[in-house]
Amino acid sequence: DGGITQSPKYLFRKEGQNVTLSCEQNLNHDAMYWYRQDPGQGLRLIYYSQIVNDFQKGDIAEGYSVSREKKESFPLTVTSAQKNPTAFYLCASSIQGGSPLHFGNGTRLTVT
Amino acid sequence: AQSVAQPEDQVNVAEGNPLTVKCTYSVSGNPYLFWYVQYPNRGLQFLLKYITGDNLVKGSYGFEAEFNKSQTSFHLKKPSALVSDSALYFCAVRAPTSGTYKYIFGTGTRLKVLA
Repeated sequence: DGGITQSPKYLFRKEGQNVTLSCEQNLNHDAMYWYRQDPGQGLRLIYYSQIVNDFQKGDIAEGYSVSREKKESFPLTVTSAQKNPTAFYLCASSIQGGSPLHFGNGTRLTVT
Repeated sequence: AQSVAQPEDQVNVAEGNPLTVKCTYSVSGNPYLFWYVQYPNRGLQFLLKYITGDNLVKGSYGFEAEFNKSQTSFHLKKPSALVSDSALYFCAVRAPTSGTYKYIFGTGTRLKVLA
C-alpha cells in the first residue's frame, strides 16, 4: 500500500541536542512538506520541496533544516537553535498542481 | 496576506442533527480549497476539495462543502451528524508564492457530536 511513513512516533531529547525526524513516501509524489502542529495554532509550514535537491523555507523555518537527496525522503532536523521545539510534526506529500496533501501519522517530539 | 480563518474553536451538535463548520479565506487568484479531518495523534485525512465547477462539493463520509466566491467562504456541512464524526477539522487553501504553491491551514475546529 502506498503512503507516508514518519518515524519514530514519539521522540524525547534533551535541550541543546539536534534531532532528525524521518519522512519517507512511496507514492511517487514530487512535492513534500513539513508542518508543525501546536494546540490552537493549526498547522504551520516549516519547509517544503517541489523537486529533488531543491527546497524552500516556509513560515517558521528558523531553527530547522531539511534535505531532499531522494524523491522518497525528506528528513527534518530540529536544531538546538529552535527555541521551542516540543510539538507534533507532520510530513505530507502531493502530486504537483493542486492535488490534496497526503499526511503521515506524525512524530511527537518532546524536548526537556 | 493570504490566510484561512476558522472562526469557531469548537462546534457542538446533537447526533442526527445537521452540522456546519465554517471557513473563510483570503488568497490571490482562483482558490483551491480543501477540508481535512484529524483524529487524536494521527495525521490529517483528506475529505474534499474545490478547484472549479459546481459550488457544492461532495466528499468522503457524507460530508459536503459549499464554495461561495462573494463571501470567500467554504463551509463544511453534513445533513446528519454521527458520534464518530467527532474530531478536529481543518480548512486549507493552496496559495501561490514565488512561482510555486504552498498550502495554508486554518487553526482547526473541534467538532463534538453528542449522543
